[in-house]
Amino acid sequence: DTGVSQDPRHKITKRGQNVTFRCDPISEHNRLYWYRQTLGQGPEFLTYFQNEAQLEKSRLLSDRFSAERPKGSFSTLEIQRTEQGDSAMYLCASGQGSTDTQYFGPGTRLTVL
Amino acid sequence: GESVGLHLPTLSVQEGDNSIINCAYSNSASDYFIWYKQESGKGPQFIIDIRSNMDKRQGQRVTVLLNKTVKHLSLQIAATQPGDSAVYFCAENKAGSARQLTFGSGTQLTVLP
Repeated sequence: DTGVSQDPRHKITKRGQNVTFRCDPISEHNRLYWYRQTLGQGPEFLTYFQNEAQLEKSRLLSDRFSAERPKGSFSTLEIQRTEQGDSAMYLCASGQGSTDTQYFGPGTRLTVL
Repeated sequence: GESVGLHLPTLSVQEGDNSIINCAYSNSASDYFIWYKQESGKGPQFIIDIRSNMDKRQGQRVTVLLNKTVKHLSLQIAATQPGDSAVYFCAENKAGSARQLTFGSGTQLTVLP
């Protein structure tokens, strides 16, 4: 499978715990995005990487959220001190060069108890 | 604020009929639009896209129409099949360096036997 992959697919955690998600983009895609999707809504943009540089962050991304893409390939999204309001599907998407098309992974479903 | 929205939250069609899913957008600066299909528990799947310098684009069984005058986008699915049942999102490219997508809330398409 050469699509975007995400791990884990599901995560259940207790409030206050830290969680980390991983995204592996399509090979050689230099653009990588994180989105969050709640039930019945469309995805909302969180942050964007071009290669290893994080170029844009949404105001939705509070101080408890941090994302990295250290080598310009895979990316991680960490949420510290999780809250029940963080429960959502976290989606990763990647794209290549100057094209605007974004291809999404299967997502990580986070449930905070 | 600027947003992408859908006219109808649900749409039911008979198998074999054509489906039309509509979308309104308000950001006149958007120059790229994309339709995604999302099945339950999965990430959004790219269907078709269109740039603002085009009025129509066709794919396999799908056609996207763009009317910039009234800021309207539609997705036409020919000979709708049971496998087409899903939530369909339109998204627009937000101007800026990240070129992140702004999504509407989606239309649930149900194909009746």
